Amino acid sequence: KNEVEQSPQNLTAQEGEFITINCSYSVGISALHWLQQHPGGGIVSLFMLSSGKKKHGRLIATINIQEKHSSLHITASHPRDSAVYICAVRADGLTFGKGTHLIIQP
Amino acid sequence: EAEVAQSPRYKITEKSQAVAFWCDPISGHATLYWYRQILGQGPELLVQFQDESVVDDSQLPKDRFSAERLKGVDSTLKIQPAELGDSAMYLCASSTTGVRTDTQYFGPGTRLTVL
Repeated sequence: KNEVEQSPQNLTAQEGEFITINCSYSVGISALHWLQQHPGGGIVSLFMLSSGKKKHGRLIATINIQEKHSSLHITASHPRDSAVYICAVRADGLTFGKGTHLIIQP
Repeated sequence: EAEVAQSPRYKITEKSQAVAFWCDPISGHATLYWYRQILGQGPELLVQFQDESVVDDSQLPKDRFSAERLKGVDSTLKIQPAELGDSAMYLCASSTTGVRTDTQYFGPGTRLTVL
């Protein structure tokens, strides 16, 4: 069974700071998802990665298959980035991390 | 107090996978409805059952969606294969009769996210 660990569990930062959220997993995967969940809202898929790096606006996601590790970066963070960020990996089904609760203060 | 039950409450799946939702209406309610509600929009009727018979499935995308109520009690809604646009809240409701003015009782819904 794949173990998915996210860090940190909680993160509070000031507006404009560079944010990094990490995800590690124990078993080889075919893909990794980064998801965003706002309070009371649905879940939005930010990225799906199988290798390398992807960028969308102020969001950057990287994955290192050999090290079984992925990072989600937010540049020039803004209060509207406040949400729970969840890492999910696909091997034999989907396994989810517990999420990182991010708060960006103005 | 009797309630409409739905399961699961949340489901996350990847596109092209199959998903199924279950609904148990209030005991004795002959009419069962499945609705889909996309975030920010109102619910749209997918299918209406009267006992075990379908009375309205005009809005059901039949190429990928199917619904059944074999014994006229609980019901299953299936999507195969799931597509990104299927992400929504799926609501089940029941009423004693199929008259439009009859009170419909809603379940808590199943929130589906398709990745």
